[in-house]
Amino acid sequence: GDSVTQMEGPVTLSEEACLTINCTYTATGYPSLFWYVQYPGEGLQLLLKATKADDKGSNKGFEATYRKETTSFHLEKGSVQVSDSAVYFCALGHAGGTSYGKLTFGQGTILTVHP
Amino acid sequence: ETGVTQTPRHLVMGMTNKKSLKCEQHLGHNAMYWYKQSAKKPLELMFVYNFKEQTENNSVPSRFSPECPNSSHLFLHLHTLQPEDSALYLCASSQEGGVRGNTIYFGEGSWLTVV
Repeated sequence: GDSVTQMEGPVTLSEEACLTINCTYTATGYPSLFWYVQYPGEGLQLLLKATKADDKGSNKGFEATYRKETTSFHLEKGSVQVSDSAVYFCALGHAGGTSYGKLTFGQGTILTVHP
Repeated sequence: ETGVTQTPRHLVMGMTNKKSLKCEQHLGHNAMYWYKQSAKKPLELMFVYNFKEQTENNSVPSRFSPECPNSSHLFLHLHTLQPEDSALYLCASSQEGGVRGNTIYFGEGSWLTVV
């Protein structure tokens, strides 16, 4: 079955530091890949996505590239802000058939950014 | 107004109680989902509804009973729950139940505590 593995957290950084959160996956076929973010007390928000190999998703300074050869979708940001403090979830999903709409999530990585 | 609204935001119930969680989406979507977020575990898909029909039940115990009266509303009826059912229950929606190109939008969740 499908699975997603994220790097263990929590991750603590100073403002303006570089961020990388690793995500690797195991899946059949050609899944779409997502990063969701959950701010304290809130639900999940889609941060970015990529639907095929070599696609790069980007939003709010965050980027992730769909690497089929390494089955990875690492999240990166060049300069983090205090407001980026949240829990980040990597996820994959399939389109069509009986698997549509079903997202498989990683365990989440807590990011704390200090001033 | 957020796209996916969940009520109540917080619920405390005894093991013999019967309660319901409500979800409403204002996005014109026709697929709705219930996910469970437990401490230190990945998000788990519970149910999927497409055009009001249940298309996925991810081996959820019968003490959780979903209801989808129309494409905009989704309920989760709860009865005789156990303390280990305490979690954040997230509702989500998307267009046509697809993942590729069809973003899944989440509500803010209902925090459930079973005492």
